[in-house]
Amino acid sequence: QKEVEQDPGPLSVPEGAIVSLNCTYSNSAFQYFMWYRQYSRKGPELLMYTYSSGNKEDGRFTAQVDKSSKYISLFIRDSQPSDSATYLCAMRTTTSGTYKYIFGTGTRLKVLA
Amino acid sequence: DTGVSQNPRHKITKRGQNVTFRCDPISEHNRLYWYRQTLGQGPEFLTYFQNEAQLEKSRLLSDRFSAERPKGSFSTLEIQRTEQGDSAMYLCASRPEGAGGNEQFFGPGTRLTVL
Repeated sequence: QKEVEQDPGPLSVPEGAIVSLNCTYSNSAFQYFMWYRQYSRKGPELLMYTYSSGNKEDGRFTAQVDKSSKYISLFIRDSQPSDSATYLCAMRTTTSGTYKYIFGTGTRLKVLA
Repeated sequence: DTGVSQNPRHKITKRGQNVTFRCDPISEHNRLYWYRQTLGQGPEFLTYFQNEAQLEKSRLLSDRFSAERPKGSFSTLEIQRTEQGDSAMYLCASRPEGAGGNEQFFGPGTRLTVL
């Protein structure tokens, strides 16, 4: 079993829709949670970063972390064709001596005009 | 441009050859990561540097892979005796030290094709 599970999609939605992207994880030591967007043949870029549990909002993006369920979500409101990309979740622990980030496989999103 | 840069952007090599990639992080970032990404997968952690010290390596990393970060600035990743399974995108990322320093900035990657 992978430490981080993410549905690869693809997910197709009409322009203006609310998009929900999710990841589940198995390691209860994860404390830092991130969402990245990756366009084809480009490096990932950070969208949202959350420490521990709770919600965080930034413009059209909302990140939620439910540590009791080991489940994180990214919501995109008023989705635009320019949001079409692969969305990656990533996580890290605060365990001493480990610094690595664990990424999900990514969900391909296509927003149709 | 003050972002993370990687060279070369593309590399085609024959099986058995050695290759070396370079990463130049954002200048004030003392932390540097190497990842490998294959099609349809997320980035897979390879190794981590804090300044010039290599503090963590993936247990999955073959001994054909070696990375250095002399003087804590740029970093190189070398793959010896390349195999077709090494074909992938190799990504470098850097981040600053500090409480808010969880934001990794990724470079554009080096795409390796092993024939």
